[in-house]
Amino acid sequence: QVQLVESGGGVVQPGRSLRLSCAASGFTFSNFGMHWVRQTPGKGLEWVAVISYDGNNKYYGASVEGRFTVSRDNSNNTLYLQLNSLTPEDTAVYYCAKAPTRLGNWFDPWGQGTLVTVSS
Amino acid sequence: DIQVTQSPSFLSASVGDRVSITCRASQDIRIYLVWYQQKPGSAPKLLISGASTLQRGVPSRFSGSGSGTEFTLTISGLQPEDFATYYCLQLHDYPLIFGQGTRLEIK
Repeated sequence: QVQLVESGGGVVQPGRSLRLSCAASGFTFSNFGMHWVRQTPGKGLEWVAVISYDGNNKYYGASVEGRFTVSRDNSNNTLYLQLNSLTPEDTAVYYCAKAPTRLGNWFDPWGQGTLVTVSS
Repeated sequence: DIQVTQSPSFLSASVGDRVSITCRASQDIRIYLVWYQQKPGSAPKLLISGASTLQRGVPSRFSGSGSGTEFTLTISGLQPEDFATYYCLQLHDYPLIFGQGTRLEIK
């Protein structure tokens, strides 16, 4: 079955960078778009980014555009999210999720999430 | 960007009740709306795609309706396992936007 495992979260100071990873298994990773979504502790969901199956198309949420970069390594079945210029408002659980098509559309299932805490 | 307004934020109901949650989009999104259920400590789970298509394995007491700018998720005959938080998500344009969420609690 589809399995998505995020990693790379932790505590980071404001202004610093972090790279999250999402290891995928149980499906042909290179055939599907992938999303990142985040959830602020105790609050709602915010869509972060999507990347197409081949990495050639990417879209971002307004609050992260220009600071975050989504990428993928299809040879290693891994999705990435590079987080730069972090602020306390970026503190959240970050989830990766699989799209049903080559680019976007809805997404399911999700991984278990990795917590990023931005604090001095 | 398309804005999505979900209501109510909080809903208190009893087992067996019928409840409805609404999402309104700021412009016509046709049927590009989905619904997720999230239980504490878990990732969200997709319930409904295309505004009204029930995902495999989701009980038939869940239903979705609407198109254009107004959408409804209805749960008929609430079960104890349905008490959770529900989110809508518009897929018509990027950036994708979630509704604010509806927390459904046992009365």
